[in-house]
Amino acid sequence: DAKTTQPTSMDCAEGRAANLPCNHSTISGNEYVYWYRQIHSQGPQYIIHGLKNNETNEMASLIITEDRKSSTLILPHATLRDTAVYYCIVPSYNTGNQFYFGTGTSLTVIP
Amino acid sequence: DAGVIQSPRHEVTEMGQEVTLRCKPISGHNSLFWYRQTMMRGLELLIYFNNNVPIDDSGMPEDRFSAKMPNASFSTLKIQPSEPRDSAVYFCASTGQSGNTIYFGEGSWLTVV
Repeated sequence: DAKTTQPTSMDCAEGRAANLPCNHSTISGNEYVYWYRQIHSQGPQYIIHGLKNNETNEMASLIITEDRKSSTLILPHATLRDTAVYYCIVPSYNTGNQFYFGTGTSLTVIP
Repeated sequence: DAGVIQSPRHEVTEMGQEVTLRCKPISGHNSLFWYRQTMMRGLELLIYFNNNVPIDDSGMPEDRFSAKMPNASFSTLKIQPSEPRDSAVYFCASTGQSGNTIYFGEGSWLTVV
């Protein structure tokens, strides 16, 4: 599994954009970057994924650098309900498509 | 779609007792995962099934833990005998043929006293 590195915690003011970085310098050419989040006491929830192009959906945007060694998840207008732990994952299909979750980034949205 | 369904949602049991956690994956999904989450160790992958066959059980902590998937719509995770250190939230998740997105259940909260 490609190792990912994320900051342990971040704060963001309500209404502002939250930018969550992730480093995945050992990513292979065919491996996707996935983002999940876990709100307290719930199961992780899928947010977005991408290979090399920037992606956007109703929840967030994903910006992947040209060399694919890092990415940023953007929540354009953070709300209090976005307070959660955010996981950046690069599953390795070579070993069977396991999704290993690291420690993630604990995002706190401040009123 | 009902999503991934887990039972029981909460269980409190005494040390030494057998615990069985159950999971019904999303219909049509062919991969199933069992995870364990604790404050100390975070979210750990225990075992992964593909087409009902265990592919990787390297995360199963010890022989007290066993998992089965007798058919495409049902899986169990059994702990026998249970110990206090097994107290955790156990999540089941499934994904389809494309393997693009994992969907998680709401978890089974286990307390062993």
